[in-house]
Amino acid sequence: NAGVTQTPKFRILKIGQSMTLQCTQDMNHNYMYWYRQDPGMGLKLIYYSVGAGITDKGEVPNGYNVSRSTTEDFPLRLELAAPSQTSVYFCASSQKPGIYEQYFGPGTRLTVT
Amino acid sequence: KQEVTQIPAALSVPEGENLVLNCSFTDSAIYNLQWFRQDPGKGLTSLLLIQSSQREQTSGRLNASLDKSSGRSTLYIAASQPGDSATYLCAVFTGGGNKLTFGTGTQLKVEL
Repeated sequence: NAGVTQTPKFRILKIGQSMTLQCTQDMNHNYMYWYRQDPGMGLKLIYYSVGAGITDKGEVPNGYNVSRSTTEDFPLRLELAAPSQTSVYFCASSQKPGIYEQYFGPGTRLTVT
Repeated sequence: KQEVTQIPAALSVPEGENLVLNCSFTDSAIYNLQWFRQDPGKGLTSLLLIQSSQREQTSGRLNASLDKSSGRSTLYIAASQPGDSATYLCAVFTGGGNKLTFGTGTQLKVEL
């Protein structure tokens, strides 16, 4: 079983470009999350979703957008890339986060120059 | 606002030593606490999940304890091995904001 998968693994963007980070889970989890991890910092929540069609902002949502049209997929969109968005992005999912674990994908390393 | 602190930030031990990693959090109103392992350039692997009503959880050579009232958790690693070298992260789940709050991690190196 694949768990949580993310594509691409690496990406370099120029300032002002746009891209979508893909995330898919095959565990039928309702809860899905996007985090970013900056060097020496803990992970910070960007957006989360509690089910198809329902999304909400986390701590650091500015510059990002999400959608959740299916249970399996939770893409993260960067509209106008900025150097401050250089980071490692992790997608995660959980059956019920107050009770069960969160499972993480392998991450996407993004550089904006 | 929940804040999670992990001390020490880095730790180097000889193989075979037992060790303890510390995690503290400021708001004791948590649902659960999760310990993760992160290898360089990789994602997070869940090690142990402790519910707020539990005192400890064990998995193989790992034992995690939770003292919710004092806002502390420890991860005990027995008989450490070079393969244990990684960054260990703790995270607490609080209902508000429906999110995990992460510490900055302890980077562990187990030397031969």
